Amino acid sequence: KAGVTQTPRYLIKTRGQQVTLSCSPISGHRSVSWYQQTPGQGLQFLFEYFSETQRNKGNFPGRFSGRQFSNSRSEMNVSTLELGDSALYLCASSLVTFTNTDTQYFGPGTRLTVL
Amino acid sequence: TQLLEQSPQFLSIQEGENLTVYCNSSSVFSSLQWYRQEPGEGPVLLVTVVTGGEVKKLKRLTFQFGDARKDSSLHITAAQPGDTGLYLCAGGGGGSQGNLIFGKGTKLSVKP
Repeated sequence: KAGVTQTPRYLIKTRGQQVTLSCSPISGHRSVSWYQQTPGQGLQFLFEYFSETQRNKGNFPGRFSGRQFSNSRSEMNVSTLELGDSALYLCASSLVTFTNTDTQYFGPGTRLTVL
Repeated sequence: TQLLEQSPQFLSIQEGENLTVYCNSSSVFSSLQWYRQEPGEGPVLLVTVVTGGEVKKLKRLTFQFGDARKDSSLHITAAQPGDTGLYLCAGGGGGSQGNLIFGKGTKLSVKP
């Protein structure tokens, strides 16, 4: 069974631009969560989607948004990029809506650099 | 705001040594998970502990959840170079909805 895939793996953008990242969960998984990982703040939860609905949201500004499609694939969008948005963006999938004791499987991440 | 503090931040040891990584908070967590992340990869779940005082073993790794569910530790016996990586603890908040709070991690390097 293929793992979680994320595209692109690396991305370089300039301040003010917007970016869309894609995540394909493990086949059969219906929940996708997004995280931002930086050296200073560590791993921080962005949001979770299950059955095309946002189920949970972290403390990030409205410039960060996401969506999920009927095939469970998910995209996240960051508008008006800032230098501080440079990070590794990870998505994770789980079978059903994620609870704290479930297993979620992470993809390899998209490394975003904002210049 | 719930926070998880991990210590030490960095650890460099020789193969065969033992080590312990700590994960502490002033808040109570309903569960705690440990992950290992290798360069260029996403974190991989090692274990989930849910009961205060619970101890779980995974080969040479021993995980403990504090009695008050505010802290956890990971002990590695006879470390090997393959144990090298970033170890992350993540606490589950209240309620059933998933919203993990991660510590900043302990970067472990095991030299042969």
